[in-house]
Amino acid sequence: NAGVTQTPKFRVLKTGQSMTLLCAQDMNHEYMYWYRQDPGMGLRLIHYSVGEGTTAKGEVPDGYNVSRLKKQNFLLGLESAAPSQTSVYFCASSGYYEQYFGPGTRLTVT
Amino acid sequence: KNEVEQSPQNLTAQEGEFITINCSYSVGISALHWLQQHPGGGIVSLFMLSSGKKKHGRLIATINIQEKHSSLHITASHPRDSAVYICAVKGGGADGLTFGKGTHLIIQP
Repeated sequence: NAGVTQTPKFRVLKTGQSMTLLCAQDMNHEYMYWYRQDPGMGLRLIHYSVGEGTTAKGEVPDGYNVSRLKKQNFLLGLESAAPSQTSVYFCASSGYYEQYFGPGTRLTVT
Repeated sequence: KNEVEQSPQNLTAQEGEFITINCSYSVGISALHWLQQHPGGGIVSLFMLSSGKKKHGRLIATINIQEKHSSLHITASHPRDSAVYICAVKGGGADGLTFGKGTHLIIQP
């Protein structure tokens, strides 16, 4: 099993550009999460999903959109990137209590 | 919103020392996680606790639900234990984890 994978691993965007981060899991988990990690702030929840076709806002959802069209995939979109969105993004999936993290995507917005 | 506090923020110790990292939280939880992150690396789950104590190799994690406090201990520390250790808590619903800011541990040979 691959566990949780994220695509891409690195990306540099210019302000105003858009992109989509892909998270995939092969553990048949219902719950999936997107977090961002910033120096001095720790990890914070952006959006999450409790099942296919459902999404909900987390602590810092502004500027991001998500979709969960298939149970195994959770997409995070940036419609108009801003320098404040420079961060490392982690996806995680969970059966309920355990959380399995992806390797992260390092995004820089210039 | 749960507030998660970790101490110390930074810790440097000599190889072989006994290490303790503390975590306290403000609101009742359903589970607490200890995570490890090496520099530039991914996040690995070390323990998930809802009560009592767990041991894995040289690592021990304890939780006191009444006091809203958990500790992570490392016995016979080694330079490869150098990493950031993160405490995270889960509430009762399906929402995600709330994280502490991490403890940056350096073990010198």
